[in-house]
Amino acid sequence: KAGVTQTPRYLIKTRGQQVTLSCSPISGHRSVSWYQQTPGQGLQFLFEYFSETQRNKGNFPGRFSGRQFSNSRSEMNVSTLELGDSALYLCASSLRTSGTYEQYFGPGTRLTVT
Amino acid sequence: DQQVKQNSPSLSVQEGRISILNCDYTNSMFDYFLWYKKYPAEGPTFLISISSIKDKNEDGRFTVFLNKSAKHLSLHIVPSQPGDSAVYFCAALSYNFNKFYFGSGTKLNVKP
Repeated sequence: KAGVTQTPRYLIKTRGQQVTLSCSPISGHRSVSWYQQTPGQGLQFLFEYFSETQRNKGNFPGRFSGRQFSNSRSEMNVSTLELGDSALYLCASSLRTSGTYEQYFGPGTRLTVT
Repeated sequence: DQQVKQNSPSLSVQEGRISILNCDYTNSMFDYFLWYKKYPAEGPTFLISISSIKDKNEDGRFTVFLNKSAKHLSLHIVPSQPGDSAVYFCAALSYNFNKFYFGSGTKLNVKP
């Protein structure tokens, strides 16, 4: 079974631009979450989607948005990029079955804003 | 607010011995608890999880124990291997409220 895939793996953008990151969850997983990882702040939750609906949102400005498609693939968009947006962006897909919950992370997209 | 705490920032263990990583939580409404392993500059790797209705879950060398009365969980790695050296995070999930909380991590060093 294929794992969580994220594209692109690396991205360099300049301030003020916008960026779209893509995530394909594990087959059968309907929940996709996005996280921002930085050395100083660690892993911070951005938002979660389940069946094309945003179920939960972290404390990030409105420049960060996302969506999920009917095939569970998800995209995350950051508009008006700032230097502080440079980070590793991780997508995770999860599955709850009777008595278990598993969450698998993708390899991440490393975004550098110059 | 720190709902999930890992009070030991680091742990050093000899190869072949048991590694015990601890995690405390404050909210009795959590439904699931998860353990992750993480290398620098990479995303977390899911290891094992446990439902709040269980007190033990085992997967190979990894066993997670849950003590609900003490609001404490632990991850046992037996036997420890040098390749286990990484940062280990515990996480707690309140499924109905869609809240996911991560601990601050414990750096495990397994010495050959």
